[in-house]
Amino acid sequence: EAAVTQSPRNKVAVTGGKVTLSCNQTNNHNNMYWYRQDTGHGLRLIHYSYGAGSTEKGDIPDGYKASRPSQENFSLILELATPSQTSVYFCASGDWGEGDTQYFGPGTRLLVL
Amino acid sequence: GEQVEQLPSILRVQEGSSASINCSYEDSASNYFPWYKQEPGENPKLIIDIRSNMERKQIQELIVLLDKKAKRFSLHITDTQPGDSAMYFCAASGESSSFSKLVFGQGTSLSVVP
Repeated sequence: EAAVTQSPRNKVAVTGGKVTLSCNQTNNHNNMYWYRQDTGHGLRLIHYSYGAGSTEKGDIPDGYKASRPSQENFSLILELATPSQTSVYFCASGDWGEGDTQYFGPGTRLLVL
Repeated sequence: GEQVEQLPSILRVQEGSSASINCSYEDSASNYFPWYKQEPGENPKLIIDIRSNMERKQIQELIVLLDKKAKRFSLHITDTQPGDSAMYFCAASGESSSFSKLVFGQGTSLSVVP
């Protein structure tokens, strides 16, 4: 199974502060994704990337930026964190050549006070 | 864009019986339908998937059915065990096959009681 890691695993931030969530995958997948998970909403796509240097808006991109500096790394950036961004964030990677399967990281629990 | 509806949101079954979860989608171009299982505090893990060129797929106790005309797909877990208790998510690919962009259902919390 693909290895996807996330850091930090838990984060407490203050309203208005900057938060960076990091994701690393070691399987040379082209595609990477950031989701947030909230009760009653399932997993919602925030940003995704086709490869190094590319970022695309997902279904709920407002308030978030993304950065893909390399094949392995994909970051999610909250420039001005708000309490509504309190959630569990999952990174995933995948490749069309592997049949569209997406492999998820362990998640980051973010609490914005 | 694609939207996926998943029902029921909560499902409670007796150990040894079957559990069924139903999903519907809107985009007739969707061609990939995975199911993920998520245990408390864990990440979602792929358990079975089906593509639009198939109507049925089975892996051990898991059966997935796809009705493209009705734009519906379903997961059936036969002979449920306590270890099957978890959240289950269906998803559909919302873009062309050149890039996989999944849209997830809202999830079903399955409890298998002895």
